[in-house]
Amino acid sequence: NAGVTQTPKFQVLKTGQSMTLQCAQDMNHNSMYWYRQDPGMGLRLIYYSASEGTTDKGEVPNGYNVSRLNKREFSLRLESAAPSQTSVYFCASSEFYNEQFFGPGTRLTVL
Amino acid sequence: GESVGLHLPTLSVQEGDNSIINCAYSNSASDYFIWYKQESGKGPQFIIDIRSNMDKRQGQRVTVLLNKTVKHLSLQIAATQPGDSAVYFCAEAVRNFGNEKLTFGTGTRLTIIP
Repeated sequence: NAGVTQTPKFQVLKTGQSMTLQCAQDMNHNSMYWYRQDPGMGLRLIYYSASEGTTDKGEVPNGYNVSRLNKREFSLRLESAAPSQTSVYFCASSEFYNEQFFGPGTRLTVL
Repeated sequence: GESVGLHLPTLSVQEGDNSIINCAYSNSASDYFIWYKQESGKGPQFIIDIRSNMDKRQGQRVTVLLNKTVKHLSLQIAATQPGDSAVYFCAEAVRNFGNEKLTFGTGTRLTIIP
């Protein structure tokens, strides 16, 4: 039982490049989330998926897209990376109205 | 917009002493609160949660207190250990079946002094 896994762990991009962050959970949770964490700040919600087949914007969705591929997997795509997207990205999952379980994070630097 | 804030960004506590981390929230509609612990280089880890129909909940060495009158949440850690050094976040949510979204505070860094 691995919980929530994220790939890659680290990534460096040049401005304008695209990439997809992968997330998978093996807890059979319905809800999945993508957050970003900037230095000295809490986590801010980018997008979430309450159940397979649905996605909704969070607090900071601009510049990102998501895909809920199936119940297990939820990916985050940066179409044209910008330096302002340099951050640590966390994926989380939960069952309705319960604690969220977080992955180890992806550290992204955009030059 | 609604926000969750913390009274102190850093806290240093002698090993073995008790620590108290405070959190203020502003959304009176919030009815679910969580404390997370985040160690360096890792994702947040659930510590304890409390629903708005309670004012106190205890776990192993941790106690969460909720004061809805003044919109205040606290995390008490008893007999602190070096492994308790981390950043602690409070988070709040409004019950919305299938669409719960947590709002996180900025965090308090707890340092345990040997």
